[in-house]
Amino acid sequence: GAVVSQHPSRVICKSGTSVKIECRSLDFQATTMFWYRQFPKKSLMLMATSNEGSKATYEQGVEKDKFLINHASLTLSTLTVTSAHPEDSSFYICSARPTGQPITFYGYTFGSGTRLTVV
Amino acid sequence: LAKTTQPISMDSYEGQEVNITCSHNNIATNDYITWYQQFPSQGPRFIIQGYKTKVTNEVASLFIPADRKSSTLSLPRVSLSDTAVYYCPLGGYNKLIFGAGTRLAVHP
Repeated sequence: GAVVSQHPSRVICKSGTSVKIECRSLDFQATTMFWYRQFPKKSLMLMATSNEGSKATYEQGVEKDKFLINHASLTLSTLTVTSAHPEDSSFYICSARPTGQPITFYGYTFGSGTRLTVV
Repeated sequence: LAKTTQPISMDSYEGQEVNITCSHNNIATNDYITWYQQFPSQGPRFIIQGYKTKVTNEVASLFIPADRKSSTLSLPRVSLSDTAVYYCPLGGYNKLIFGAGTRLAVHP
């Protein structure tokens, strides 16, 4: 089955530094990938949609200069949290839509998430 | 995309059938109804998708009335391993928007 790998699974960084999270589709190509964040006991909030070779589309209220998304290949998207602060501590999850999957099918594969702690 | 509403939590016992209902009163014509399962510290896992009427796969059934303003996920004979949070995000315009989810606890 389709597998999406996220790395790292956990990261602790100091306030003011940047952190990069990778999302890879291991056995399929993904033209479109999605980034979510989830606070404890809360639902997933869509941050942005990334399309291979083009700029990401950010949801309203998400700072594009703070959450840099790069989707340089059909199997890799990265999210960089720049100048991280404690309030950025959260669970970040990516998902991928396989290239060629019908536009009306929303059975996406999600990664296992990255828990970011900013101290 | 329309907002979804679900019960915050549900309890069940092993071997019982569990039905979780999702309300989506303002669902749009091009929205699809999906259900996902999420365990702690993991990403969600796709369960089932439907547009209208009933859909069944190897793990669940999805019932959608004609007006599509709600949907019901049916899990037959749940086990302890079905303890998780269940979401009914609507899919439309190439994205999934998640609501609050239902925390299902299955007891021995």
